[in-house]
Amino acid sequence: AAGVIQSPRHLIKEKRETATLKCYPIPRHDTVYWYQQGPGQDPQFLISFYEKMQSDKGSIPDRFSAQQFSDYHSELNMSSLELGDSALYFCASSLVRGETEAFFGQGTRLTVV
Amino acid sequence: GESVGLHLPTLSVQEGDNSIINCAYSNSASDYFIWYKQESGKGPQFIIDIRSNMDKRQGQRVTVLLNKTVKHLSLQIAATQPGDSAVYFCAENREAAGNKLTFGGGTRVLVKP
Repeated sequence: AAGVIQSPRHLIKEKRETATLKCYPIPRHDTVYWYQQGPGQDPQFLISFYEKMQSDKGSIPDRFSAQQFSDYHSELNMSSLELGDSALYFCASSLVRGETEAFFGQGTRLTVV
Repeated sequence: GESVGLHLPTLSVQEGDNSIINCAYSNSASDYFIWYKQESGKGPQFIIDIRSNMDKRQGQRVTVLLNKTVKHLSLQIAATQPGDSAVYFCAENREAAGNKLTFGGGTRVLVKP
């Protein structure tokens, strides 16, 4: 069965650089969520999209932005990277209506040096 | 503010024994409570969920108990196996909040052979 695909799996950037993370949700899923997980921390909600429109926003820095495209894939853009942005970034997708199970991708490990 | 948190950071269990992972929550408006399993280098994987109007739900080798009186959630794993070694997160979900997940701190389960 198709799963949530994230790319790249690993990314190393220098401070003040920009990074773009991509997420391809499970086909026919209408909602995409982005989470950030610091070392030894629980995942923290960043932002979500429902049917290509931003539906909710969590603790996402102003330096970050995201969008969902017509093919439902989503991109998380991160600018002016800081050392503290080093984390695992997960994308999850789900069917909002009547579903609770969100399927997570393998994540992108971002290291800022 | 809202929080979902776990009592124990690490749980060592003998193979074949039962495991119990506990979680406290503070938001009584949650619609669902979900348990996720996260193996090293992987995204969270859905285990089981329970609607807020239930007090018990069973799955394959797992049982989730919900005590709304004391706002407590637990996950019981029967006959723990080496493959159960992972970090377990509880999370809450509110449909009014766009079904985003609020995670609690994880508990690492180590299964000893």
